Amino acid sequence: GEDVEQSLFLSVREGDSSVINCTYTDSSSTYLYWYKQEPGAGLQLLTYIFSNMDMKQDQRLTVLLNKKDKHLSLRIADTQTGDSAIYFCAESSTNNAGNMLTFGGGTRLMVKP
Amino acid sequence: EAQVTQNPRYLITVTGKKLTVTCSQNMNHEYMSWYRQDPGLGLRQIYYSMNVEVTDKGDVPEGYKVSRKEKRNFPLILESPSPNQTSLYFCASSLLDRAETQYFGPGTRLLVL
Repeated sequence: GEDVEQSLFLSVREGDSSVINCTYTDSSSTYLYWYKQEPGAGLQLLTYIFSNMDMKQDQRLTVLLNKKDKHLSLRIADTQTGDSAIYFCAESSTNNAGNMLTFGGGTRLMVKP
Repeated sequence: EAQVTQNPRYLITVTGKKLTVTCSQNMNHEYMSWYRQDPGLGLRQIYYSMNVEVTDKGDVPEGYKVSRKEKRNFPLILESPSPNQTSLYFCASSLLDRAETQYFGPGTRLLVL
């Protein structure tokens, strides 16, 4: 099946930028997503990008998509302690039945004061 | 307020004792699905439903059943739970073919002894 991969862990200092990376294998991906999961909570959709876009910016968040390399990144500017969470990359495609999302394993972001 | 609710939020049970986790959404979404989340594996889809009385298997359906008798409800049934079903379960709903509209429930943490 299709695969989405992320590194497990990232640690940054408060005020620095964080960059979380993701690679995927499905060449027919239509949308790519970033979700945030805080401890003990459900998944919150942060942002998503359509596959024909290269970049999307939303306040402190910047998503970059390199479709040729099947690489997606999420940059968080001026990272705060409240950004500490697990971040999941996900994709959906016309190959997937209905609206199924294929998730990466999640990257745990730790922000040190 | 648009939401997906799940009950119970936490459950401890023993091997073989049938249980049901309920899921309800108030957005009139056609599509509903169940995921399980395990450390390092991200979320994997168990079952999904595109409409009332229409259900299908996801990536990891073994040991689970679902039903969709009403549009708003999508219960997950474990007829004979086993310890390898200990996990965090999420219900989600969205408009059909609009995965970017997907809402997730708060999660149900299940421990099977």
